[in-house]
Amino acid sequence: QKEVEQNSGPLSVPEGAIASLNCTYSDRVSQSFFWYRQYSGKSPELIMSIYSNGDKEDGRFTAQLNKASQYVSLLIRDSQPSDSATYLCAVNRRNYGQNFVFGPGTRLSVLP
Amino acid sequence: DAGVIQSPRHEVTEMGQEVTLRCKPISGHNSLFWYRQTMMRGLELLIYFNNNVPIDDSGMPEDRFSAKMPNASFSTLKIQPSEPRDSAVYFCASSLPSTANTGELFFGEGSRLTVL
Repeated sequence: QKEVEQNSGPLSVPEGAIASLNCTYSDRVSQSFFWYRQYSGKSPELIMSIYSNGDKEDGRFTAQLNKASQYVSLLIRDSQPSDSATYLCAVNRRNYGQNFVFGPGTRLSVLP
Repeated sequence: DAGVIQSPRHEVTEMGQEVTLRCKPISGHNSLFWYRQTMMRGLELLIYFNNNVPIDDSGMPEDRFSAKMPNASFSTLKIQPSEPRDSAVYFCASSLPSTANTGELFFGEGSRLTVL
């Protein structure tokens, strides 16, 4: 079992819809969780972080964390074509220092 | 402000040759990470440094790979000898002391390596 798993996609949604991206992780000691966005040919950039169970909202983005289920999700409301990118889920296993483990990413395509 | 600077952006070499990738972290960042990204394996952590000291190199594939950080503003990743399976995009990232555990890694633009 991989440490961080995501559906590879592609996930296609129409413009204006809600895009839902999911991530599961295997290490229960994981403390902090992140979503990075990576445009094709570019480097990853942090868009959301979450540390506690529940929801965290930032503009059109909402991150959800359920530690009991070892599950993290990212919702993108009012999806725009500019949101088309690969979304990487990352987990920091704090007990192992700054060891950020990334998932394989989900490719999102927002259709105009 | 300048971001993380990597060089070269692209490298094409032949199997068996030595490859050196370079990274200049953001000034004031004390943690530096080397990642490798491929379609098959995604983004993998190779090694990271805190205050120029290697902390975790368990991701380094084998003895052909080595990394150094002689000072706070420079790091190298060396592959000798290179093999076709080393073809990938190599990212360098750095982080601030205050955000070291918050996941805010600042990535360079990457070095795309092709080994023929």
